[in-house]
Amino acid sequence: AQKITQTQPGMFVQEKEAVTLDCTYDTSDPSYGLFWYKQPSSGEMIFLIYQGSYDQQNATEGRYSLNFQKARKSANLVISASQLGDSAMYFCAMREGRPRGTSYGKLTFGQGTILTVHP
Amino acid sequence: GAVVSQHPSRVICKSGTSVKIECRSLDFQATTMFWYRQFPKQSLMLMATSNEGSKATYEQGVEKDKFLINHASLTLSTLTVTSAHPEDSSFYICSARVPSGLQETQYFGPGTRLLVL
Repeated sequence: AQKITQTQPGMFVQEKEAVTLDCTYDTSDPSYGLFWYKQPSSGEMIFLIYQGSYDQQNATEGRYSLNFQKARKSANLVISASQLGDSAMYFCAMREGRPRGTSYGKLTFGQGTILTVHP
Repeated sequence: GAVVSQHPSRVICKSGTSVKIECRSLDFQATTMFWYRQFPKQSLMLMATSNEGSKATYEQGVEKDKFLINHASLTLSTLTVTSAHPEDSSFYICSARVPSGLQETQYFGPGTRLLVL
């Protein structure tokens, strides 16, 4: 079974509008972390936002917010006031487990969503 | 924020040659680094976990004798693709976990595009 699922291969949004990118996850580990990254055409992975499984509040970073619904196992990314520079591939990723062992921190990625912002 | 560099950014080599890719953490010490591979329009797939001073941990299906990983210092991990073949052509990207305080973060290098002819 997929651990991270992004069901939207592509999304379109008008400049200055808000957009939500979906992400659902599957884990039986009570301790996990959820990440969102942006990958422009250059290929670099840009860290956007992080949500820990025990965090009580939804994470926010500037125009980015994470709609964390633990019972539904979803961690959707909301981008407010979209800009043309937001056009890129967006990946949701999960890190499972508490700090232990030599493999702690490895990420499992979703399939990605290509976001296109129209002027 | 933390910076991770990779070198080279792009390499073209002949089939059968070996290629070394370096991943450096520039302003922090990274005891653990990760190597991923990404084919065009696909997601990132973890290849191996690189730990300073010990052997790397490889994911299932990744040939450890083909993809040699050395994490000789707290700021440098190297991936060597030995006897490269055209099917090894891909985007290789490393990441380093920043020692977590209040918030866990993981930063990626800019990636290396490998083309094997």
